Amino acid sequence: AQTVTQSQPEMSVQEAETVTLSCTYDTSESDYYLFWYKQPPSRQMILVIRQEAYKQQNATENRFSVNFQKAAKSFSLKISDSQLGDAAMYFCASQGGSEKLVFGKGTKLTVNP
Amino acid sequence: DTGVSQNPRHKITKRGQNVTFRCDPISEHNRLYWYRQTLGQGPEFLTYFQNEAQLEKSRLLSDRFSAERPKGSFSTLEIQRTEQGDSAMYLCASRTDSAGELFFGEGSRLTVL
Repeated sequence: AQTVTQSQPEMSVQEAETVTLSCTYDTSESDYYLFWYKQPPSRQMILVIRQEAYKQQNATENRFSVNFQKAAKSFSLKISDSQLGDAAMYFCASQGGSEKLVFGKGTKLTVNP
Repeated sequence: DTGVSQNPRHKITKRGQNVTFRCDPISEHNRLYWYRQTLGQGPEFLTYFQNEAQLEKSRLLSDRFSAERPKGSFSTLEIQRTEQGDSAMYLCASRTDSAGELFFGEGSRLTVL
């Protein structure tokens, strides 16, 4: 069984600063994917970034990057130059062995002007 | 708008009534997913279709839940004899066959009184 743990229910950051959201996971699959999704209030969930477990290089998408530590089963998200529009719930998720995504409980990110 | 469309967006019903939600995926997406999200939690997988075939079902999907995808286009999720514990946001998502991004709808919120 897969599990995903997000230990930070809430985080806050000042506009233009950098924030890191934590995620740990557990899986018995050798081939799996990890994701960060963003869910703004009353809006649909959108994919922020994706990492294939077999790739050693950390994924990057503009201001968003991950720190993937496979041995430690850690997958943190770094948001640089935070913007007001980054305020949302952020969910870490894993997928391996089936079509099912397993999500963590989420971290609510507040961006202060 | 060519995104994933869900209807109705909100449904309030009395315990014991039946409800049905509809999902229209992005037109070229042959894979369709249903998730359930309760307050303060991440989404939980319910079921998955590839075209019209329902290929994976969660144990969360009790006998009162049924999902269909006739002709491999839109999908319906029916909940019979609703219970208060069914109150949640029901999310639909779709993607293509290639290992691409999962696109979510805005969800259908169910409140069971």
